[in-house]
Amino acid sequence: GAGVSQSPSNKVTEKGKDVELRCDPISGHTALYWYRQSLGQGLEFLIYFQGNSAPDKSGLPSDRFSAERTGGSVSTLTIQRTQQEDSAVYLCASSLARTSGTDTQYFGPGTRLTVL
Amino acid sequence: QKEVEQDPGPLSVPEGAIVSLNCTYSNSAFQYFMWYRQYSRKGPELLMYTYSSGNKEDGRFTAQVDKSSKYISLFIRDSQPSDSATYLCAMSPGNQFYFGTGTSLTVIP
Repeated sequence: GAGVSQSPSNKVTEKGKDVELRCDPISGHTALYWYRQSLGQGLEFLIYFQGNSAPDKSGLPSDRFSAERTGGSVSTLTIQRTQQEDSAVYLCASSLARTSGTDTQYFGPGTRLTVL
Repeated sequence: QKEVEQDPGPLSVPEGAIVSLNCTYSNSAFQYFMWYRQYSRKGPELLMYTYSSGNKEDGRFTAQVDKSSKYISLFIRDSQPSDSATYLCAMSPGNQFYFGTGTSLTVIP
């Protein structure tokens, strides 16, 4: 079946512009995660959705970052007034349900964001 | 101090070698331990999953967890060029996941 898809695959933007990154999770997966992967930094947790609600936003680095999920499916991560330090690969993952650490996350290919 | 420490490498080995990848952690609440493989320009994919201490074997891959030492390992036997990738360890106390920085592995034919 189809896996997690993300768009765009690459995004180059100018400092100060807003960007929107999209994630299409696996059908039927209620849990959705956003991570940021920078060189030498590993995966940094940003936000987690269970259905349409976001019980855990603890990883969002600043108020320039926001995310929403509609219809329990597609999610959008928005970065306002982008800065050069926002340059990274943004990864989305989904899982059946976040009931415990046994829940397997399936990752998308990521969006590579470059802020000039 | 980071929650999870992982040597970034890079690690380069000849085909057929045994590879050992390791992570250490500080949070004694971690109970779920995972290894992900990430090919270039792709998302991570789950390779091995272990609950609590012990060993788990799957083909050429063996995952070990030593909770007393807060140390986990992934062994790859008879390494192949197709194993060339970045390997990330991840762990969870049951709610949130914490990832290592990843170790870059190259298997030379």
